[in-house]
Amino acid sequence: QSALTQPASVSGSPGQSITISCTGTSSDVGGFDYVSWYQQHPGKAPKLMIYDVNNRPSGVSDRFSGSKSGNTASLTISGLQAEDEADYYCCSYTSSSTRVFGAGTKVTVL
Amino acid sequence: EVQLVESGGGWVQPGGSLRLSCAASGFIFSSYAMTWVRQAPGKGLEWVSAISGSAGSTYYADSVKGRFTISRDNSKNTLYLQMNSLRAEDTALYYCAKGLSTGFSPSDYWGQGTLVTVSS
Repeated sequence: QSALTQPASVSGSPGQSITISCTGTSSDVGGFDYVSWYQQHPGKAPKLMIYDVNNRPSGVSDRFSGSKSGNTASLTISGLQAEDEADYYCCSYTSSSTRVFGAGTKVTVL
Repeated sequence: EVQLVESGGGWVQPGGSLRLSCAASGFIFSSYAMTWVRQAPGKGLEWVSAISGSAGSTYYADSVKGRFTISRDNSKNTLYLQMNSLRAEDTALYYCAKGLSTGFSPSDYWGQGTLVTVSS
């Protein structure tokens, strides 16, 4: 199972909105509404930000939102803040009953 | 408060074995699926294996299938990962994570990880 494709880096200024894409195939992202997104700060464990394409766990800011079109899922961060600077990983259920992560995107707040 | 504490990592030679443990507390352990995810030094996340709440279903990445075995003891609130025939590419920080539900689901709580180093 190949890793999902994410841009290596995305940047934005405080207050702006940014979008991170996550491209897979019809055997993973496109085939199921089971895409999740994780945030990871350096030296810390990952944190679930979005699950099942567009659902936020309790406690996650509504500045984070998810969507999907075809084989590509997206995470949008609105009102970018300094604390949002981190690595972000998408993850999808697959037709093999496994999960696959994206390679990760480093978000930089300028 | 949900707590997940991994242990059992360490240094092992190629071809060797290790058993990782993850002690869980703060939730009804048997009601949730559990997952192992690893992260090689300086690299991204890699999904490794998952097990349903009842232990009736297990799932493995192709990279570890046939070498790793996931299990759980719901009476001890503990998750395990038996790792055999270890390779250099298995070197990573291994996280255990709690699922959102009893079935195969995303992970909403993570431990801090235990480091496995495979080297001669």
